[in-house]
Amino acid sequence: DIQMTQSPSTLSASVGDRVTITCRASQSINSWLAWYQQKPGKAPKFLIYKASTLESGVPSRFSGSESGTEFTLTISSLQPDDFATYYCLQYDVYPLTFGGGTKVEIK
Amino acid sequence: EVHLVESGGGLVQPGGSLRLSCAASGFTFGEHYMDWVRQAPGKGLEWVGRSRGKAHSYTTAFAASVEGRFTISRDNSNNLMYLQMNSLKTEDTAVYYCTRTGYCGAPGRCNSAYFNYWGQGTLVTVSS
Repeated sequence: DIQMTQSPSTLSASVGDRVTITCRASQSINSWLAWYQQKPGKAPKFLIYKASTLESGVPSRFSGSESGTEFTLTISSLQPDDFATYYCLQYDVYPLTFGGGTKVEIK
Repeated sequence: EVHLVESGGGLVQPGGSLRLSCAASGFTFGEHYMDWVRQAPGKGLEWVGRSRGKAHSYTTAFAASVEGRFTISRDNSNNLMYLQMNSLKTEDTAVYYCTRTGYCGAPGRCNSAYFNYWGQGTLVTVSS
């Protein structure tokens, strides 16, 4: 199985901060990576696919990038609505696997 | 507008069975893979299983943790998907989400097999 190692597990930040979350895949996943945002008691919200393509309607402060097997979700200027838990997902091979999640908290 | 609505969750004893349903609307059901993803209380997301679409003969795939115990079926006439869960274990306790992928309506590898729509989830509790 492909392991998705997500870091940090928790991140404390302030409104306006630039935030970076990383997922490292245990082997190549050919850019088949998605990002999700989840708020407590809610279903995840789809943000990004193919590592860097923003889903329609997602604010442009969100962006994704990749370097080899390392994938990054960046929020350029954190907004109050962005405090949530973020997950990466590899959808290259079965079983599909998620990262462990990054909780973005208010500093 | 895409809608996914899960139902069928509840309390079941270890070793028991439960069937979850997912009612889908707002899209051409057979052109998308449909998956189940679960989340144990306070934990992260875990992929459970998939029903591929018409172009892939509605074949299924499962996580090792549920292989042989869970099955997925579809009622394509009524845009319904089911998750039949047998031999349930306490570690199956979770919120179960029904999800839809991007377009996967052509033969061959689907490059849009991420989950772009999610239902609200239904809670399954396995406990004696």
